[in-house]
Amino acid sequence: EVQLLESGGILVQPGGSLRLSCAASGFTFSSYVMSWVRQAPGKGLEWVSAISGSGGSTYYADSVKGRFTISRDNSKNTLYLQMNSLRAEDTAVYYCAKGRGVPTVMADFDYWGQGTLVTVSS
Amino acid sequence: EIVLTQSPATLSLSPGERATLSCRASQSVSSYLAWYQQKPGQAPRLLIYDASNRATGITARFSGSGSGTDFTLTISSLDPEDFAVYYCQQRSNWPLTFGGGTKVEIK
Repeated sequence: EVQLLESGGILVQPGGSLRLSCAASGFTFSSYVMSWVRQAPGKGLEWVSAISGSGGSTYYADSVKGRFTISRDNSKNTLYLQMNSLRAEDTAVYYCAKGRGVPTVMADFDYWGQGTLVTVSS
Repeated sequence: EIVLTQSPATLSLSPGERATLSCRASQSVSSYLAWYQQKPGQAPRLLIYDASNRATGITARFSGSGSGTDFTLTISSLDPEDFAVYYCQQRSNWPLTFGGGTKVEIK
């Protein structure tokens, strides 16, 4: 059974930093693209970042480029999102999502974690 | 950036009725379009991928169609568990984008 478990969401001040983690199990982690998708309170879904199975290719939404860094440790089956220079508009539930097995990093998502809430406020 | 416009924003229907949801792309996404269902307090669930393929375990009540810029998600006969928000997503170009969602509510 595929499981994705996010952690690390907390209340942080504007300008602060945070690292989210997503522990994966139930599939061959290194074979799949992974992404972070966020959802601001009461709003729709926004794709944030994606990473290839090897970790060699990364992609970002313009809204987070230069501030967020996606990475993965395939030996630990864990996905990360390093978030720096946080802003109020980054407040959201952050979901870790597994890319469906397509031969491209541009994937849709067949499994999602339960999400972790990041609140940016003073 | 490819903008996905979903309509209507809200669809008020009764159980047993047919639901037709639309997703229009600002430029062609070929068939690289997915549909998700999200219930309150839950993560999204993949329903349809590549415009018309049902994801694993998804009931045949759900069907998808379209290509290029115009796509439709049809729920043939609404079950009480189908009342939720539905999102489309394209994987044709970076950045990946989602539509704004359609809420299917009980009339």
